[in-house]
Amino acid sequence: SQTIHQWPATLVQPVGSPLSLECTVEGTSNPNLYWYRQAAGRGLQLLFYSVGIGQISSEVPQNLSASRPQDRQFILSSKKLLLSDSGFYLCAFNMGQQNTEAFFGQGTRLTVV
Amino acid sequence: QKEVEQDPGPLSVPEGAIVSLNCTYSNSAFQYFMWYRQYSRKGPELLMYTYSSGNKEDGRFTAQVDKSSKYISLFIRDSQPSDSATYLCAVGGGGADGLTFGKGTHLIIQP
Repeated sequence: SQTIHQWPATLVQPVGSPLSLECTVEGTSNPNLYWYRQAAGRGLQLLFYSVGIGQISSEVPQNLSASRPQDRQFILSSKKLLLSDSGFYLCAFNMGQQNTEAFFGQGTRLTVV
Repeated sequence: QKEVEQDPGPLSVPEGAIVSLNCTYSNSAFQYFMWYRQYSRKGPELLMYTYSSGNKEDGRFTAQVDKSSKYISLFIRDSQPSDSATYLCAVGGGGADGLTFGKGTHLIIQP
């Protein structure tokens, strides 16, 4: 069966420090991969998506970047965190060419202090 | 413009009641419709997936899509305290550029 792993679960980082969140998918190949951020009262905001290795699309300009170095690995990064980067970050995947059902990891709660 | 409207609640009902959760959307191009359940500090869990208009039933859960009205619903029968969570509706169109989510409805089932 297909599974998605995301870590760490919780992270507290100082302003100006770098960030690296990792997500991996098992049990499938060539998934579409997504990073969402969830803020209180604002729902899930799509940050990045990838349909293949090295292919990254950004939905909103921000202090973050994403990379897909391997087929089933998706990384969210920042060189210098801002207070506004605090939030709940979720990785997700789906299969196929369409926006069908997506499956989520357990999320990373990031607090920038 | 992508947009999905969902009442944030909270919605509080007694155990055993029938719960109705709803969303409206604005873009008629959406053709995939989903409901997710999210417990506090956890990732969303897929509950129901529907393609195009119609009903789909799975145990105590029924998903309903009316594309003519751009209206989607989730019904929960015989609600249980364990159903207390935030319920997110999501819609998707052609392409793989991600789903559009409602803000979620916080549901509380009182024992």
